[in-house]
Amino acid sequence: DAGVIQSPRHEVTEMGQEVTLRCKPISGHDYLFWYRQTMMRGLELLIYFNNNVPIDDSGMPEDRFSAKMPNASFSTLKIQPSEPRDSAVYFCASRLAGAGELFFGEGSRLTVL
Amino acid sequence: QKEVEQDPGPLSVPEGAIVSLNCTYSNSAFQYFMWYRQYSRKGPELLMYTYSSGNKEDGRFTAQVDKSSKYISLFIRDSQPSDSATYLCAMSPGGGNKLTFGTGTQLKVEL
Repeated sequence: DAGVIQSPRHEVTEMGQEVTLRCKPISGHDYLFWYRQTMMRGLELLIYFNNNVPIDDSGMPEDRFSAKMPNASFSTLKIQPSEPRDSAVYFCASRLAGAGELFFGEGSRLTVL
Repeated sequence: QKEVEQDPGPLSVPEGAIVSLNCTYSNSAFQYFMWYRQYSRKGPELLMYTYSSGNKEDGRFTAQVDKSSKYISLFIRDSQPSDSATYLCAMSPGGGNKLTFGTGTQLKVEL
């Protein structure tokens, strides 16, 4: 398997623009997670899905952030409008039900100018 | 105060040294403890996974959990330059859904 695939790997945008990050989880995995990583705060859970249904979005910082999982093989994280403080590396991860290991993608590095 | 505290380092050691990495936590509900390794510009990957207190060994790596002290450790024996990475501790009350991560310790193993 190719692992968790994220795109784009790098995104540079200007404040106020819409940003869409994409994720393809490992085939057969039941859970999908979106994390944000910064130097100051480390890895923070934003939202997670089980069987395409959002279970906990308490980590989503503001209404500017939204996430969807229209099917088992695709998820998006959208920021609209983006702000400089959203600059971070965003990771998608997936896992099988009953298994503890999270498999992470390589991340999308977002810079908002 | 953060729920999970981890010294950010950087920690620099010579090749072959024994490395000790540590995390402290405040939430007594944490039952599952993990160590992830993250190479530069990559996603974290699971290194060790333990439940409750005790030790677990896997090759050159040993994970220890002391719930009474709310303290976990990762030991790396015979450290290699390929061990140079950031090590993240992670923990949760149950299963693998709401993991709380430390901020990571950057390790450099020098020749």
